[in-house]
Amino acid sequence: GAVVSQHPSRVICKSGTSVKIECRSLDFQATTMFWYRQFPKQSLMLMATSNEGSKATYEQGVEKDKFLINHASLTLSTLTVTSAHPEDSSFYICSPKRTGTGAYGYTFGSGTRLTVV
Amino acid sequence: AQKVTQAQTEISVVEKEDVTLDCVYETRDTTYYLFWYKQPPSGELVFLIRRNSFDEQNEISGRYSWNFQKSTSSFNFTITASQVVDSAVYFCALSEASSGNTPLVFGKGTRLSVIA
Repeated sequence: GAVVSQHPSRVICKSGTSVKIECRSLDFQATTMFWYRQFPKQSLMLMATSNEGSKATYEQGVEKDKFLINHASLTLSTLTVTSAHPEDSSFYICSPKRTGTGAYGYTFGSGTRLTVV
Repeated sequence: AQKVTQAQTEISVVEKEDVTLDCVYETRDTTYYLFWYKQPPSGELVFLIRRNSFDEQNEISGRYSWNFQKSTSSFNFTITASQVVDSAVYFCALSEASSGNTPLVFGKGTRLSVIA
């Protein structure tokens, strides 16, 4: 169990365009979703936390109007990078938390490598 | 506030050597969970172990072993007889159980290179 599907795995986009990253929990429900960003040779940095049906909570320094998070269902969340710039190039990882499982419920997508040219 | 420190940024060993990756954590909670993840070059995080704060027994899984010491707030990870396939970045992470649905807090990671 606990299968997570994150798409796309890699995307190259032009500066100024928007990119949508999809994260699905295929065999479980996730009330809470965490989105992380990882720059080369760095650790995972939390960008935002979202609960199904509610607005996401963003970490300090993360622009909510630039990184749009939609968590409309218990099995799907999306992160849209709007008006992407080269500095947004990074590895984005979703982390759906299985509902009602406490510390046993952390799962991760396989990541999306975004390159903005 | 919770914090995870992995002081070793990069380690390089020759195949078949043993290697220990250090992890020191800070938390005010009495109930918490510690994790280790492996991140190979593909980027996907691979879960290795989860340990709760009430279980101080050391654990061994094949060539992997973990030493949890609450007295020193450490949760170190040892790979015995390292292999080239062990080359990856290893992350230690912490979750405070009392905080509900909170994210994992990751250390900065240790990049392990195993040379043939």
